[in-house]
Amino acid sequence: AQSVAQPEDQVNVAEGNPLTVKCTYSVSGNPYLFWYVQYPNRGLQFLLKYITGDNLVKGSYGFEAEFNKSQTSFHLKKPSALVSDSALYFCAVILGGSGNTGKLIFGQGTTLQVKP
Amino acid sequence: NAGVTQTPKFRVLKTGQSMTLLCAQDMNHEYMYWYRQDPGMGLRLIHYSVGEGTTAKGEVPDGYNVSRLKKQNFLLGLESAAPSQTSVYFCASSSPTQNSPLHFGNGTRLTVT
Repeated sequence: AQSVAQPEDQVNVAEGNPLTVKCTYSVSGNPYLFWYVQYPNRGLQFLLKYITGDNLVKGSYGFEAEFNKSQTSFHLKKPSALVSDSALYFCAVILGGSGNTGKLIFGQGTTLQVKP
Repeated sequence: NAGVTQTPKFRVLKTGQSMTLLCAQDMNHEYMYWYRQDPGMGLRLIHYSVGEGTTAKGEVPDGYNVSRLKKQNFLLGLESAAPSQTSVYFCASSSPTQNSPLHFGNGTRLTVT
């Protein structure tokens, strides 16, 4: 069965410092991995995805994520956090290949708090 | 483009009442989904549709029904609401490839008393 774990309920960083939001996954084949962000009272917005190729993927708003197959991780990173990055972040996975109709499995979410 | 629009934004129901949540998308997407979001549990898939006239069960389908009579609309129905269905409901749509991002509406906050 596919699953996603976000081990931290909340991450606190100071503005200007680097941030990391952790995600680990479990699938029986090649994963397609995604990060989404949710601002208060809004739906989720797509940030970035890993399908294949370069392990470091770049996305919206200066975020990037590193795919690590041996550690089954896909951590979200940003070199310099902004107060406006404060939001709820979701990692999601789907098993790549035929027969999967885009049914993402989401992690439980990590609240990022960036303090001035 | 409006993207994905959900109505209503808020609703309070009494136990046993019924209601329908409407989702409309203007991106000509084939796939549409209904998720529920509960604290500490992420998003869980209720039902989904891969095209007009087709629907399928997701992870937590019990107590819900759906219909996709038109490509742009995906309706979620609660026939007899229960307090356990108090949640925030999100509709999403996507293109028919696995690596296509989902586009989400802004959610419907439902309270069942």
